[in-house]
Amino acid sequence: RKEVEQDPGPFNVPEGATVAFNCTYSNSASQSFFWYRQDCRKEPKLLMSVYSSGNEDGRFTAQLNRASQYISLLIRDSKLSDSATYLCVVNRPGNNRKLIWGLGTSLAVNP
Amino acid sequence: GAVVSQHPSWVICKSGTSVKIECRSLDFQATTMFWYRQFPKQSLMLMATSNEGSKATYEQGVEKDKFLINHASLTLSTLTVTSAHPEDSSFYICSARDGLAGVYEQYFGPGTRLTVT
Repeated sequence: RKEVEQDPGPFNVPEGATVAFNCTYSNSASQSFFWYRQDCRKEPKLLMSVYSSGNEDGRFTAQLNRASQYISLLIRDSKLSDSATYLCVVNRPGNNRKLIWGLGTSLAVNP
Repeated sequence: GAVVSQHPSWVICKSGTSVKIECRSLDFQATTMFWYRQFPKQSLMLMATSNEGSKATYEQGVEKDKFLINHASLTLSTLTVTSAHPEDSSFYICSARDGLAGVYEQYFGPGTRLTVT
């Protein structure tokens, strides 16, 4: 089983749609969770951290379910500029506290 | 704040030559830097973790004699791909962790696209 698993998509949605991405992780000791966004041929950029209580940043909502080892990202009112790959990232507990990256979910928002 | 630069942004080299990639934290001290590699349509793969003043820790399967990492200062780490081969062609990205910020927060450089002919 991969340490971090995501549905690679692609998700094709019209502008204004609501879309949800899911991610599962295998190490129950992980304590930090993130969603990154990566545009084609660019470096990843932090979209938001994911907190136990869930958190929202504008049109983006992230939730964590520790019991099921599951993270989600909800995007409301999709914009064309949201088209990108969304990467689920989880820390691997250890001395260097490395980040483990999911393969990413590709989103295309269409006009 | 928290800007990381990489140089060069892209490089084309001949098989058998060596290429050095620099990663700099511009406005913070990076006690730890990470080097990743990303092949097309694949996830980021951590190659090594570099702590200032000590030897890098390489991930399983990454040849430390081929990918030389130096982290001589709190703002600079270098990755040298020695005797490059076409299969080393990839997108190399560094990230740096600000020792004063959250433990897991990493800031990424813009990446270096390496093509070996």
